[in-house]
Amino acid sequence: NAGVTQTPKFQVLKTGQSMTLQCAQDMNHEYMSWYRQDPGMGLRLIHYSVGAGITDQGEVPNGYNVSRSTTEDFPLRLLSAAPSQTSVYFCASSYGKGHGYTFGSGTRLTVV
Amino acid sequence: AQSVAQPEDQVNVAEGNPLTVKCTYSVSGNPYLFWYVQYPNRGLQFLLKYITGDNLVKGSYGFEAEFNKSQTSFHLKKPSALVSDSALYFCAVTPRRPDSSYKLIFGSGTRLLVRP
Repeated sequence: NAGVTQTPKFQVLKTGQSMTLQCAQDMNHEYMSWYRQDPGMGLRLIHYSVGAGITDQGEVPNGYNVSRSTTEDFPLRLLSAAPSQTSVYFCASSYGKGHGYTFGSGTRLTVV
Repeated sequence: AQSVAQPEDQVNVAEGNPLTVKCTYSVSGNPYLFWYVQYPNRGLQFLLKYITGDNLVKGSYGFEAEFNKSQTSFHLKKPSALVSDSALYFCAVTPRRPDSSYKLIFGSGTRLLVRP
């Protein structure tokens, strides 16, 4: 089915470990974003991309890195995990401003 | 700063009654406006959007939203609530300016509880 695929669905990391959250979409969307969702805070934008080779920082970029080598993939890297990064992470993609985003099912990350 | 406010953490309504989930925004210009719904342990699903035109927009599952430019509000409504509507609802906006990047700004969410 067409959509946004995120892997893994669950992950537990130790403080200081690094990992990559994967995100892929098959809708040929130019826009892709990573959000984190924390209780009572809604969704906050981490990084976003407006096309292959172009990325920019969102509201809470510290501790995260992204790249966009293809239109389909937009991985999110945690460089050195901290307990404050315990959250649910959503990847989303869109055709453009007036179209809304399609969200993946999320990755629940716990850092101990 | 650009922001979206959902003043109610939770809205409680009886099944069959009308419901309203409130949203106001502080974004310059005429932004694009969206509502999303999130069911437990799921991603967000698109409900409806306002781009231009009629101030009352209709969306999925019988939901509609009323845009009020003077009050910078975009309240979500449904004439008759269902128990299955119980979920977390997010309002989101994005600036319309051509030079602005496509950042979707979310409110903090409102939990809707529909009791039988």
